[in-house]
Amino acid sequence: DQQVKQNSPSLSVQEGRISILNCDYTNSMFDYFLWYKKYPAEGPTFLISISSIKDKNEDGRFTVFLNKSAKHLSLHIVPSQPGDSAVYFCAASPIDRGSTLGRLYFGRGTQLTVWP
Amino acid sequence: GAGVSQSPRYKVAKRGQDVALRCDPISGHVSLFWYQQALGQGPEFLTYFQNEAQLDKSGLPSDRFFAERPEGSVSTLKIQRTQQEDSAVYLCASSRGGWNWAFFGQGTRLTVV
Repeated sequence: DQQVKQNSPSLSVQEGRISILNCDYTNSMFDYFLWYKKYPAEGPTFLISISSIKDKNEDGRFTVFLNKSAKHLSLHIVPSQPGDSAVYFCAASPIDRGSTLGRLYFGRGTQLTVWP
Repeated sequence: GAGVSQSPRYKVAKRGQDVALRCDPISGHVSLFWYQQALGQGPEFLTYFQNEAQLDKSGLPSDRFFAERPEGSVSTLKIQRTQQEDSAVYLCASSRGGWNWAFFGQGTRLTVV
């Protein structure tokens, strides 16, 4: 049973535009969320995270929004660049604030393609 | 090295063969995770070590899967009598603290033929 869902397997965006990647979860015990970026033949790399005590976290071009009541989060990339083309995974943990480690539950990923 | 190192990068095994996958975490990282990523799927949790203690092995799919980290550093994931459904990329991650400071290795792609 998939507890973290990324319903869009792919997204194509023109360079300079906004990319919005979506993620839904079912487990109300999740309270720490992360986005990972993965290039082919490499492991996932951490991009940005958000705790359930916040509804927004921003880091440069990347912003993550969390809507706890809807059990939904999204990653916004503005402006999108060709180097952002990769698979993006949403992940969730039931451990608060990421300061301690619990198992992560991953979505299936969304392939983002940014074209010039 | 500077990152998490996994070996081999690729492994082809005949069905029924035993395999051993190695993970060298970043020096000093006490936490170590193994994940399995099947084609077109997200990574699925297998097991978690804190130093040499295996704190959670609830994700291991069967008793053919065994993981160890005897000295709290290098870890080995062993799969006995491999089956076709074991074909996947096996990812190792290590961390000195939370997930924000965790790093994944490049993975070992296992193909069972």
